[in-house]
Amino acid sequence: AQTVTQSQPEMSVQEAETVTLSCTYDTSESDYYLFWYKQPPSRQMILVIRQEAYKQQNATENRFSVNFQKAAKSFSLKISDSQLGDAAMYFCAYRSQIQGAQKLVFGQGTRLTINP
Amino acid sequence: NAGVTQTPKFRILKIGQSMTLQCAQDMNHNYMYWYRQDPGMGLKLIYYSVGAGITDKGEVPNGYNVSRSTTEDFPLRLELAAPSQTSVYFCASQSGRGSYEQYFGPGTRLTVT
Repeated sequence: AQTVTQSQPEMSVQEAETVTLSCTYDTSESDYYLFWYKQPPSRQMILVIRQEAYKQQNATENRFSVNFQKAAKSFSLKISDSQLGDAAMYFCAYRSQIQGAQKLVFGQGTRLTINP
Repeated sequence: NAGVTQTPKFRILKIGQSMTLQCAQDMNHNYMYWYRQDPGMGLKLIYYSVGAGITDKGEVPNGYNVSRSTTEDFPLRLELAAPSQTSVYFCASQSGRGSYEQYFGPGTRLTVT
C-alpha cells in the first residue's frame, strides 16, 4: 500500500519570504499523481497544485511550485512571497493511476504560520 | 452550481445512536468518496463509489455503511455510534477516471459522547 509522509508538523515563515514544505511517499507504481491541498480554518479542502509522475517538468501555479524528485520519491512545495492568506494546514496526497477508483492517500499535514 | 454539499454541518451524538450524513453533488460526477479527518491528521478513506449501485470499502470502513442509488447522492450511515467516530467527515466527487481533481464538500463535524 502507498504511504505519504510529511515530516514537518509545523512551519513558520515571515511574510514575503519563501518557505518549502516537505513530502515523501512510498510506492512501487510508475504512473501516479501527486497533489498539495490547502486547508484553511474554514476546513475547506483546496487543491493548490498537482504533478503527474510521467512529467519531468516541475509544476508551477503562480507563487506555488513543486520540486518533484521521482527517484527519491520526494515532492516538496515551495511558496514564494508568502502572504498572510497562505496560513493553513497543507496536505500532500498521492493518487494511483491504476487502481479503479483513484483513491487519494494523504500525509499527516504541515501547519504553516505566516508571521507579519 | 452548488458543487458538493454536505448536511448537517455539525452534530452531537450519544454513544449507541445512529445517523446518516448526507452528501450530494450536482456535477454529474461518477466517482464519490467519503473521508474522515481526525484531529491533527490527514484524511482517510472510508468508502467510495465509482457509479450508481457500486460501492467499495476504503481504508477505515468499520462502523459505517454507504449506498449509491443515484449518481447525485452518496449518504454515509453510522450505526451504533462510538467515541472513536468523533471526527470531521468529508465527501468528495470526481468526474471520472481521466479527471485529476477531486472536489470536496465543506465537511461535517461529528462528536460522539
